[in-house]
Amino acid sequence: GESVGLHLPTLSVQEGDNSIINCAYSNSASDYFIWYKQESGKGPQFIIDIRSNMDKRQGQRVTVLLNKTVKHLSLQIAATQPGDSAVYFCAENNGGSQGNLIFGKGTKLSVKP
Amino acid sequence: EPEVTQTPSHQVTQMGQEVILRCVPISNHLYFYWYRQILGQKVEFLVSFYNNEISEKSEIFDDQFSVERPDGSNFTLKIRSTKLEDSAMYFCASSARTSGGRETQYFGPGTRLLVL
Repeated sequence: GESVGLHLPTLSVQEGDNSIINCAYSNSASDYFIWYKQESGKGPQFIIDIRSNMDKRQGQRVTVLLNKTVKHLSLQIAATQPGDSAVYFCAENNGGSQGNLIFGKGTKLSVKP
Repeated sequence: EPEVTQTPSHQVTQMGQEVILRCVPISNHLYFYWYRQILGQKVEFLVSFYNNEISEKSEIFDDQFSVERPDGSNFTLKIRSTKLEDSAMYFCASSARTSGGRETQYFGPGTRLLVL
């Protein structure tokens, strides 16, 4: 089972490379998904969201891909910068409830200069 | 840019004591939330609040917890008798609408609660 202070999956990339962070979500009835970035000691910061009627959405340097068939979500960061170093969480809206977001376990992104 | 604010940033308390965590949501938002994050673990939903009442709560949100919107700006989380396992980072969030949970929630910086 899980241990206290579980180790996060870590992705280490070189500055300037593209990063891909993956997430599997749990509720097939969820129809809204969000990626958050969390820097050490801070709250989750909204990056990008996507609704289930889409399979791709692009923002500034970020792209979210949604595959509902396999309940998979990914976040692509183009030209990764040192300031992108953080823990990234995906979240789902738990089947359209009144705001109960379910967060994934998070992936720690480390960008090497 | 409007943001959610929380006070205090850190709170240390003795087991059994009451604590009140405070939040000021974004001013035109109508939906308010509390989440917690135990060190090294994922963010967990506690409660959502709309129109002066709880909309939804998780199993974590037991009788020791309560929320209140005492005035037009503040949103508080009270833990009546803290336990060691309540030690966590507590995040407040707000959204303009809920639209069946399809509205962006903006998070505050959190209050780190340590129960001794």
